[in-house]
Amino acid sequence: DTGVSQNPRHKITKRGQNVTFRCDPISEHNRLYWYRQTLGQGPEFLTYFQNEAQLEKSRLLSDRFSAERPKGSFSTLEIQRTEQGDSAMYLCASSLGQTNEKLFFGSGTQLSVL
Amino acid sequence: GDSVTQMEGPVTLSEEAFLTINCTYTATGYPSLFWYVQYPGEGLQLLLKATKADDKGSNKGFEATYRKETTSFHLEKGSVQVSDSAVYFCALSSGNTPLVFGKGTRLSVIA
Repeated sequence: DTGVSQNPRHKITKRGQNVTFRCDPISEHNRLYWYRQTLGQGPEFLTYFQNEAQLEKSRLLSDRFSAERPKGSFSTLEIQRTEQGDSAMYLCASSLGQTNEKLFFGSGTQLSVL
Repeated sequence: GDSVTQMEGPVTLSEEAFLTINCTYTATGYPSLFWYVQYPGEGLQLLLKATKADDKGSNKGFEATYRKETTSFHLEKGSVQVSDSAVYFCALSSGNTPLVFGKGTRLSVIA
């Protein structure tokens, strides 16, 4: 069990550029979640997958955000036309089963939009 | 919608002091309640949970009791150590909804 892995750890980009983050969950976990966390706040839910199906998206997830989980393994989160307000820590978590009772989180990708 | 309110930090304690971090919630139905902890440089990890009223979750000397009458889930530890320095997040999940987190409380324990 190598835990949840996220890449890159840090990303600095200019406003208007596109960025993509990757998350590798724990291998047997069927659920994968994306959260966003800003300074002084708790994680805010963005979206989650059960296997390859995207089951729920938060209203926080604007049209500029898209997430995929092909083949139900790793996931990518893309942000198009980044804005300064997108600067945050993007967290990925995974879990096993049909409930949200125990999530395993990665260390996150810190995005800074200049 | 569902929400969690936890006491603002930072909280600074001396080693062996008693810790309480308050958490109250608003939810429809009967949520499951959680405390997650984030140690410096690491991802969030589940500390303890309770799934129904009057349940007590416990782990690593930490405890929290699910109080339906006061909609609370306060985290306690009788004697904190320097290694407990971290950010603590209270969270809930109603039915099968994704976890909703509080803002977090930073704890610093000094020797």
